[in-house]
Amino acid sequence: DTGVSQNPRHKITKRGQNVTFRCDPISEHNRLYWYRQTLGQGPEFLTYFQNEAQLEKSRLLSDRFSAERPKGSFSTLEIQRTEQGDSAMYLCASKRSSGNQETQYFGPGTRLLVL
Amino acid sequence: AQTVTQSQPEMSVQEAETVTLSCTYDTSESDYYLFWYKQPPSRQMILVIRQEAYKQQNATENRFSVNFQKAAKSFSLKISDSQLGDAAMYFCAYTRASGTYKYIFGTGTRLKVLA
Repeated sequence: DTGVSQNPRHKITKRGQNVTFRCDPISEHNRLYWYRQTLGQGPEFLTYFQNEAQLEKSRLLSDRFSAERPKGSFSTLEIQRTEQGDSAMYLCASKRSSGNQETQYFGPGTRLLVL
Repeated sequence: AQTVTQSQPEMSVQEAETVTLSCTYDTSESDYYLFWYKQPPSRQMILVIRQEAYKQQNATENRFSVNFQKAAKSFSLKISDSQLGDAAMYFCAYTRASGTYKYIFGTGTRLKVLA
């Protein structure tokens, strides 16, 4: 396994701009998760994909947020019209669907700062 | 709704000593998993240890062990022979053993290891 990768690692943007983050899961992991972690807090679940299907979205995921996972491989998370409250670390994780593999493997995260 | 509580924002331990991090959770489910993840500064989250709720035996991974008290809904992490490299944020996480397997995290405990 090469590990979960995320790009960019850091993003600074001005309020009102759109940003897009990418996550490349471990190959053959068909489940992919996005979490948001603010300073001093634990990660909070945002959304979940099984293959290309987005099966659950948290109420934290406002209309300005959209996530995709075309072809069930990499995933993107887009935030439109960013607000200062969007500043956080965005974490991606993946796991296998079958077997005794409840463990999620996390990427290094994308740290977003909205000015 | 399930919740995870870590009541110790910060803990310190002398190198080579033992420290215990506390975690309590609330759930009405009977089948679930519990995890401890380590998040070093500016590095990605990695799994330390996991526990299946149906197993009565406490999980152990080298210097790391848990005290799982299902009736009390308590899941503490014991680190023996603490090393400087153990310094990090430690998060307790819970997931149901069905559905999306999304994690619910506690707020974390920052562990400092004193030389």
